[in-house]
This record gives sequence, C-alpha cells and structure tokens, in this order.
Amino acid sequence: GAGVSQTPSNKVTEKGKYVELRCDPISGHTALYWYRQSLGQGPEFLIYFQGTGAADDSGLPNDRFFAVRPEGSVSTLKIQRTERGDSAVYLCASSRLAAPEADGYTFGSGTRLTVV
Amino acid sequence: AQSVAQPEDQVNVAEGNPLTVKCTYSVSGNPYLFWYVQYPNRGLQFLLKYITGDNLVKGSYGFEAEFNKSQTSFHLKKPSALVSDSALYFCAVRVTAYSGAGSYQLTFGKGTKLSVIP
Repeated sequence: GAGVSQTPSNKVTEKGKYVELRCDPISGHTALYWYRQSLGQGPEFLIYFQGTGAADDSGLPNDRFFAVRPEGSVSTLKIQRTERGDSAVYLCASSRLAAPEADGYTFGSGTRLTVV
Repeated sequence: AQSVAQPEDQVNVAEGNPLTVKCTYSVSGNPYLFWYVQYPNRGLQFLLKYITGDNLVKGSYGFEAEFNKSQTSFHLKKPSALVSDSALYFCAVRVTAYSGAGSYQLTFGKGTKLSVIP
C-alpha cells in the first residue's frame, strides 16, 4: 500500500481482556517499529523488528505486551490482561532501512486503545 | 540515557510572523535530531533532520532548524507562519554510536502545540 496501515483505528475493551493491534507496513520496508503515545506525551518506543525478528524489545513495559512479525511484513502487537493504564494511541512506523536518519520513518495513523 | 525537552506546551503566533518552537536535548554521544509534525487523527510526519555538517538544516513546508551543540538545542523555525502550520510538533533524538539494543529507537519530547492565528 501507499502508507502504513493500522487497524483498528479505535478499540475499546474491558479491563482484563486481551487485544491485538495490527500494523501493515509499506511494501518492502524491512524495519518496523511500535511506539505508544499517552495523552499529552510524545511517542515512547516499544519494540523494533528487522525482518521477522525483534531486534530490540527494550521498550515493552512488562510481559503482558508481546509483538510478532512472522513473515516480515504485517506485525501484531498483543496485550494481555489489559489495564486502564494501557489506554493510549499505539503507533506503528516502518522504514526501508533500520536507522531513522537514513531513510526516515513513515508512521501510521495509530490505533487508539481505550481500556474501561 | 537520552532525553528531549520541549519547554513550551503551546506557542501562539500571528499569521505571517516568524515562529520558533524550542527543543533541547541530552545525550551521551553525538546526536541525530529530528522534527516531526502531527495533525489531528493523522500519523506523525517527518519534517527535517540533523545528522552532521551545516548546523542549519532545511526541511519540508519551509521549516528549518538550527543545531547548536554548545546549547544542546535544535529549535524549529519558519520565517512566515501559515494558519495551516497549526499542529502538534515533536522533537526527537537518537544517539549515533551503536550500543547494541536501543540504538535505533527515537526519544521524543512531549510535543508543542502550535497555533497560528489568522
């Protein structure tokens, strides 16, 4: 596609439920990033994929968060036992090369997750 | 650890006037610096970057930014503001030296809301 696609655009879930957020990067982009943007804050890094593997997952806040990218394209961010504090906009970005200064990131519009 | 500060939550400027959005950073090493813009219900859009070389970098939509190493600043500027420039602006940094995990992630500031008044 022309841009990074994230689905759903909005997700409301009950506390304790499991959610999956999907990111479809630009075709041919091998690097994929997930960021989380809480209200009034800048995006915070969660995880970075190079191809199929998670090259850096140091930003995942705890073991309730997990992400996969099995075929090196679409990625899914999974959150178990959701908590109200998980409410945020989850942003996905992709780039042709890993380093953002080399090629720039292209961000998706995000998924707004609300945990009630 | 690296950090970015955007000291102003909001900047108001009259259309046609010059604008400045401030950013300071803290890193241990040489920084790569970025500005992104976010319009409502849209993803972040890249504006410009500083890697090395000329301290004044030019980017999209007439924006420019000046890297000042001694003041650890990277302020965003535009000579003449447009109403359409009204948006949320984010400064971001990453350290250039490879240090294993975490080397490619960006650290963002909290953002500055720019309002250009007609």
